[in-house]
Amino acid sequence: DGGITQSPKYLFRKEGQNVTLSCEQNLNHDAMYWYRQDPGQGLRLIYYSQIVNDFQKGDIAEGYSVSREKKESFPLTVTSAQKNPTAFYLCASSIRTGNVKNSPLHFGNGTRLTVT
Amino acid sequence: GIQVEQSPPDLILQEGANSTLRCNFSDSVNNLQWFHQNPWGQLINLFYIPSGTKQNGRLSATTVATERYSLLYISSSQTTDSGVYFCAVVANAGNNRKLIWGLGTSLAVNP
Repeated sequence: DGGITQSPKYLFRKEGQNVTLSCEQNLNHDAMYWYRQDPGQGLRLIYYSQIVNDFQKGDIAEGYSVSREKKESFPLTVTSAQKNPTAFYLCASSIRTGNVKNSPLHFGNGTRLTVT
Repeated sequence: GIQVEQSPPDLILQEGANSTLRCNFSDSVNNLQWFHQNPWGQLINLFYIPSGTKQNGRLSATTVATERYSLLYISSSQTTDSGVYFCAVVANAGNNRKLIWGLGTSLAVNP
């Protein structure tokens, strides 16, 4: 079945370490997104990519980095510069129809990152 | 930018009851989606509904774009309906193609 796979499901790191969250999709979607969710909150956009080798900052990109070397993959690195990295991270994808406004979004199951 | 407000923020139902969740938005949109996040964090796209009415089993949604609101109806609720329901939109105006999210309605269905 087609879908979006995020790994790992739970991740623990020490403060000061960079950590990379994996996101792979086999839906043949052009656009991919990373969101952050804090307890009791909505989703906030970190980065998004509409095409391979291109990505744009979202609303809270500071302290994060991404790459989009392959259509299927959009890994997110949480760097030591991110002041409050403990959160639930969600990856999503959508068909790029030439206008991202018209594309339903599909999500992975998320990665819970805890930094101590 | 566009504002998205969801109501009620919290809702408790007995199994079998019906409910209506509301999403108000402050500007015209060309993309509106409803999502369900289960207690384990998994987010599922329920409806892509910038206008009109759609139904999927016990769930249905109606968006009245001219009046800037959308409603999600849950009939004969089940405990598996528990979780948070989010509404997200993309504004018509401007070049911002990002989904703007409401804060969600947290639903608990008791057996």
